[in-house]
Amino acid sequence: SQQGEEDPQALSIQEGENATMNCSYKTSINNLQWYRQNSGRGLVHLILIRSNEREKHSGRLRVTLDTSKKSSSLLITASRAADTASYFCATASTQGGSEKLVFGKGTKLTVNP
Amino acid sequence: NAGVTQTPKFQVLKTGQSMTLQCAQDMNHEYMSWYRQDPGMGLRLIHYSVGAGITDQGEVPNGYNVSRSTTEDFPLRLLSAAPSQTSVYFCASSLDRGLWNTIYFGEGSWLTVV
Repeated sequence: SQQGEEDPQALSIQEGENATMNCSYKTSINNLQWYRQNSGRGLVHLILIRSNEREKHSGRLRVTLDTSKKSSSLLITASRAADTASYFCATASTQGGSEKLVFGKGTKLTVNP
Repeated sequence: NAGVTQTPKFQVLKTGQSMTLQCAQDMNHEYMSWYRQDPGMGLRLIHYSVGAGITDQGEVPNGYNVSRSTTEDFPLRLLSAAPSQTSVYFCASSLDRGLWNTIYFGEGSWLTVV
């Protein structure tokens, strides 16, 4: 079953605006990762936040993690048309003695020029 | 440094045929995995491996076999293709078996079963 669930499923904004995507998950995690996927391409790793971290920044990206609420958010500031892509959260957890990375269904972001 | 390389990129199969999707990484990663991506379903884990000679099932393993004879290669075999296996397949690898580091993905293999 899916671990992470992104919200919203689709988001359309104007260039220069901020985009916020949320991810909720169900069980305890080792870390949570965000990925970007351009149409017809593979997934590109954006940022990893460990379970003992609350916030992490990378360029125009800001990720928060609230383990008490089992949720994370990805903020893209000053968005650009090139940010148009699908964004996925993935949770890394130890289940039954083995580690697994489980993805949500993604948020499709459209940035209009 | 090529990263994760998948072949073929596109393939059309007839129902009942078998084939192997190849995956190779040149980063000496311990962890390798295969996912399938279907519209509206995100990525679902098929099989994974935490090192040479070790494989395990993921969420949707039925109809697929894997082996890991070397650190570099992790082929995915479709034993008898079915239309339900029409999907985009991604191979991924990570440095450590604990998934504490970045996961690197291949560019994907588009498979159609008719």
